[in-house]
Amino acid sequence: EAAVTQSPRNKVTVTGGNVTLSCRQTNSHNYMYWYRQDTGHGLRLIHYSYGAGNLQIGDVPDGYKATRTTQEDFFLLLELASPSQTSLYFCASSDAGLGVAEQFFGPGTRLTVL
Amino acid sequence: GDSVTQTEGLVTLTKGLPVMLNCTYQTTYSPFLFWYVQHLNEAPKLLLKSSTDNKRTEHQGFYATLHKSSSSFHLQKSSVQLSDSALYFCALSEGPNYNVLYFGSGTKLTVEP
Repeated sequence: EAAVTQSPRNKVTVTGGNVTLSCRQTNSHNYMYWYRQDTGHGLRLIHYSYGAGNLQIGDVPDGYKATRTTQEDFFLLLELASPSQTSLYFCASSDAGLGVAEQFFGPGTRLTVL
Repeated sequence: GDSVTQTEGLVTLTKGLPVMLNCTYQTTYSPFLFWYVQHLNEAPKLLLKSSTDNKRTEHQGFYATLHKSSSSFHLQKSSVQLSDSALYFCALSEGPNYNVLYFGSGTKLTVEP
């Protein structure tokens, strides 16, 4: 089973602060994703990538940047955090070589913006 | 987002009763449908998936049938257990990029003794 880890697990910052969320997967999956989860909205896709150096825009990208530095590592950046970005963030990975593949999720990062 | 609709936000049932969680979708492509389950303080995990019309898919006592004629993929179980209490998400994958999932808003299932 795919191993996806995220750090930090919890983060508190202030409005206007700079935050980086990290995600690492160890099964050589080519696709990686960042989601936010909010009550009543389910999981919403922020950004995703199909390989190192690649970035694709998701459904709710405003206020977020992302960078895929290696096959394993995908970062989500909030350069001017706002209270509306308080949420639970999940990273996921999948292997597109298997067709429509299962996405494997990390444990999540809870971000609070005061 | 709007591609997948889950009408029930909260479902509360007594142990042993059957359950059906609704999922309908909109797409002009040939769809893949998924159900993910998220237990409290855990990550979402795949429960089952299907792309075959009118074929029942089963896993861990849960089952669903994709009906393209009605654009539905309802999740069912004949007898719920306390351990089934969780958040259930329906998700759609559609062309041309089948590697992106569109999730519904989720249904929280609570099973009481």
